[in-house]
Amino acid sequence: NAGVTQTPKFQVLKTGQSMTLQCAQDMNHNSMYWYRQDPGMGLRLIYYSASEGTTDKGEVPNGYNVSRLNKREFSLRLESAAPSQTSVYFCASSEGLFYEQYFGPGTRLTVT
Amino acid sequence: EDKVVQSPLSLVVHEGDTVTLNCSYEVTNFRSLLWYKQEKKAPTFLFMLTSSGIEKKSGRLSSILDKKELFSILNITATQTGDSAIYLCAVKGGTSYGKLTFGQGTILTVHP
Repeated sequence: NAGVTQTPKFQVLKTGQSMTLQCAQDMNHNSMYWYRQDPGMGLRLIYYSASEGTTDKGEVPNGYNVSRLNKREFSLRLESAAPSQTSVYFCASSEGLFYEQYFGPGTRLTVT
Repeated sequence: EDKVVQSPLSLVVHEGDTVTLNCSYEVTNFRSLLWYKQEKKAPTFLFMLTSSGIEKKSGRLSSILDKKELFSILNITATQTGDSAIYLCAVKGGTSYGKLTFGQGTILTVHP
């Protein structure tokens, strides 16, 4: 039982490149989330998926897209990376929107 | 706008000390308050509090919520070096997606 897993662990991109961050959970959770964590800013919600087949914007969605591929997997795509997207990205899941969230190990992304 | 403020921002103690971490909040339609411990990677869930005045306890860690005064405290007794981490407070509001608003965290360092 791995919980929430994320790939890759680290990534360096040049400005304008695209990439997809992958997230999977094996806890049979309905809801999944993507956060970014920046120094002094705390964790901020980018997008979430309340249940399979639905996605919605969070606090800071600009420059990102998501796909809820199935109940287990929720991916985050950067179409044209910018230096402002340099951050640590965390995926999380929960049984439902009002339950505690469990986090993956994070992806450290640097955009040069 | 929802707001969560933690204090102190950092704290240095010696093993065996007792520490109290504070979290105050302003959130629309409060639902619950959560505490997480973040070491080098993912935030790890500690407690979720929904009712005022009820203490949640796990070993040397305990937490209590005061919904009237809009704050929570996290106590750690007999601290150990393994307690060194960032402690995050997050509050879940009553919007349609149960938004989790995080504080900036308290960095706790426990010296031997």
